[in-house]
This record gives sequence, structure tokens and C-alpha cells, in this order.
Amino acid sequence: NAGVTQTPKFRILKIGQSMTLQCTQDMNHNYMYWYRQDPGMGLKLIYYSVGAGITDKGEVPNGYNVSRSTTEDFPLRLELAAPSQTSVYFCASSYSGTSAPTSSYEQYFGPGTRLTVT
Amino acid sequence: GQSLEQPSEVTAVEGAIVQINCTYQTSGFYGLSWYQQHDGGAPTFLSYNALDGLEETGRFSSFLSRSDSYGYLLLQELQMKDSASYFCAVQNQAGTALIFGKGTTLSVSS
Repeated sequence: NAGVTQTPKFRILKIGQSMTLQCTQDMNHNYMYWYRQDPGMGLKLIYYSVGAGITDKGEVPNGYNVSRSTTEDFPLRLELAAPSQTSVYFCASSYSGTSAPTSSYEQYFGPGTRLTVT
Repeated sequence: GQSLEQPSEVTAVEGAIVQINCTYQTSGFYGLSWYQQHDGGAPTFLSYNALDGLEETGRFSSFLSRSDSYGYLLLQELQMKDSASYFCAVQNQAGTALIFGKGTTLSVSS
């Protein structure tokens, strides 16, 4: 049981390039999330998904896109990378439960992707 | 929307007790979560309070007062390994995602 895995661990992008950050979980969780964390700051929610085919915007979605075609995978796409997107990106997942509030309060995080845009 | 306030830094010595406070403003409240993050690592879940009162898990306890929109994380018998950042978080209005505070950096010295 690997939990939540993310690739790559590190990446340097040039301004204007694009890339996809990969996230996979093997816990059969319905809910998945993408966060970014700037140095010395908290976690900002970018996008989340409550199940395959369903995604929703978080606090800071601009400049990013997501898709969720399977329960296991939740890739994050950066189009036209900008220096402001330099950050550490964390993917997380949680069990959904059967009614609100869900078990979204207990999330399992991947190890993160450290992205630099220069 | 949701917003949370917590102190940016707290320092303490080994063996001491420290309390990290969190106040929140939400448009719908389900409960307060706490996470720990060591430098460079992934956040890990510590506790969740949906009801008023104190929840104890080993050396860590978490408290919630819904009427005051306030909670705290209490760490007892501090150890060097407790040096980390601690985040409080609340669920969004739909209860499907978390909104995090900016975090409190705890430094434990010998």
C-alpha cells in the first residue's frame, strides 16, 4: 500500500513551458486534492475532485487545470508556466463517507513536487 | 468564505507544554482539524474536533469551542522531534475540502 504518490519530485521549468504533475493513490479514496505551498506559508487549495469525472475549483485555480478520469489518478496541468507558480505542490486524498460532512477532514498527503519556474 | 488565524511562531523547551491557538471565521462549520508538517515533508493528520471540548491522543490534545470560533492544539512533554509547523483547518461550505491556516512554526530547544 503506497498511499499517495507524486511524480516528479523536482522540476525546473522555463517561463511559458507546460507540464503535468502526476498524482496516484491506492487507497480507493473518492476525494482528491491539489495544494500549493509557498515558502513559510500555509497550504492553498488549487482544485479538488469528489469522484471520477467531477472536479471543482479551490482558492487559487488560475493557471492550472485538472482532470479525473479514474479513481486513482488526479493529474494537475500547468499551462504557460510563470515565476509565480514556483512552489511546492502537494496532492492529497481522503475517504468520502456517506453524507456531509465527509471525512475530508482527514487527508493523506503525497511527498510533494518542488517546482521552480525561471 | 473561510479564514483562520494562528500565531506564526512559538518557541518552547524540551519537557514543557505549549498551546497553539486557532480562531476561525466560516460560512458553515463542521469541525476543526490539525496537521503537523516537518520541514520539507508532507503534512500529516493529527486530530479533528467536531464537538466542543477536549480530545486527547497521547501527548497531543485538541480543544474546540464552537461558540467562540476558537480551538487549540496542546502539546505536552515536548520533545525535539515536535519541532515542526502545525496547521489548523476547516472544511469548506460543502464539507468536501479543507481550507488551511498559515501555520504555526514550533521550535523546541534543549
